[in-house]
Amino acid sequence: KNEVEQSPQNLTAQEGEFITINCSYSVGISALHWLQQHPGGGIVSLFMLSSGKKKHGRLIATINIQEKHSSLHITASHPRDSAVYICAAAKNKLIFGTGTLLAVQP
Amino acid sequence: GAGVSQSPSNKVTEKGKDVELRCDPISGHTALYWYRQSLGQGLEFLIYFQGNSAPDKSGLPSDRFSAERTGGSVSTLTIQRTQQEDSAVYLCASSFGLAHETQYFGPGTRLLVL
Repeated sequence: KNEVEQSPQNLTAQEGEFITINCSYSVGISALHWLQQHPGGGIVSLFMLSSGKKKHGRLIATINIQEKHSSLHITASHPRDSAVYICAAAKNKLIFGTGTLLAVQP
Repeated sequence: GAGVSQSPSNKVTEKGKDVELRCDPISGHTALYWYRQSLGQGLEFLIYFQGNSAPDKSGLPSDRFSAERTGGSVSTLTIQRTQQEDSAVYLCASSFGLAHETQYFGPGTRLLVL
């Protein structure tokens, strides 16, 4: 069993839909990262959180330390949100989930 | 200022050759990480440097892989006697400190071993 699990693996949404990507981890962490990777592009750090909730534009990330679970939400999704979203648990290094491939159709 | 830079952006080599991949972190960042992303696979941790501490090499897949960081800045990842399974995108990231700090990723080096 992977130490960091993401779901779903693939997600197709219509433009404007509310999207949720889930991440569960089984290790003790100091923080959890959400990363975005566009096709053929580099990796961008979206959020780093250790408790509660963070919001940046249409993106919201939450974490429940007791349940070892985090979610990434995208409101009013847009085709430019199409990318792979990766969660990573931070111990003394990052342990990555397998990623969620999101396709937002116009 | 400039972000994390990596060179070369692409490298094609023959099986058995040695390769060196370079990473220039963001100035002032004390932590530097190397990751690998194989085709169709997720990201995989390789090695981590933090200041003057001994590096965490726990992710290196074999003794053919090594890395160094000179002067607390530039890092070089060396793969000796490359194998076809070494083909991947090698990513470098840097941050101000420990793994709970935001990491800034370089564009990666795409390595193809023929």
